[in-house]
Amino acid sequence: QKEVEQDPGPLSVPEGAIVSLNCTYSNSAFQYFMWYRQYSRKGPELLMYTYSSGNKEDGRFTAQVDKSSKYISLFIRDSQPSDSATYLCAMSPPSGNTPLVFGKGTRLSVIA
Amino acid sequence: DVKVTQSSRYLVKRTGEKVFLECVQDMDHENMFWYRQDPGLGLRLIYFSYDVKMKEKGDIPEGYSVSREKKERFSLILESASTNQTSMYLCASIDTGGYSPLHFGNGTRLTVT
Repeated sequence: QKEVEQDPGPLSVPEGAIVSLNCTYSNSAFQYFMWYRQYSRKGPELLMYTYSSGNKEDGRFTAQVDKSSKYISLFIRDSQPSDSATYLCAMSPPSGNTPLVFGKGTRLSVIA
Repeated sequence: DVKVTQSSRYLVKRTGEKVFLECVQDMDHENMFWYRQDPGLGLRLIYFSYDVKMKEKGDIPEGYSVSREKKERFSLILESASTNQTSMYLCASIDTGGYSPLHFGNGTRLTVT
């Protein structure tokens, strides 16, 4: 079983839809949970991060962590064509010098 | 803003050539990383470094080496390029102490013919 599983998609939705992107993980030591967004021909950029369980909201984006189920989600409300990108989940334990573990990424297309 | 700069956006090399991919960051970060990204395989860690002249193998180090002579510069070396090393290569850096995000460069698309 891989440490982090993420559905690669592709996912295609109409503009204005609510998008749900998900990752599952197996390592209960993970404490930091991140979502990166990668536009075509660019490097990934941090979109949101959360520490431990709970929800975090930033504009149209909500990150959710359920440590009991080892499941994290990113919700995008009122999706826009500019949200079309690959979304990668990433996570790490609390120790500072351990590389992040990434999901394989989900490619999202929002159609106008 | 943190800037991670990779010297080339696109490179085409021949099989057997020695290839150098250069990466420079401007925020005095201790930790630097090299990944490759392939469709269906996601990001895979090749090597990383926590300090000058220090290196650690990642998940797929075979066929690669690295050099970190100065804190801001981390080079990836393909000793003898092969066609299966055709890929997108991404460099990243991160600060230490508490949580901080990983900052990526825009990648080098390497084609080995």
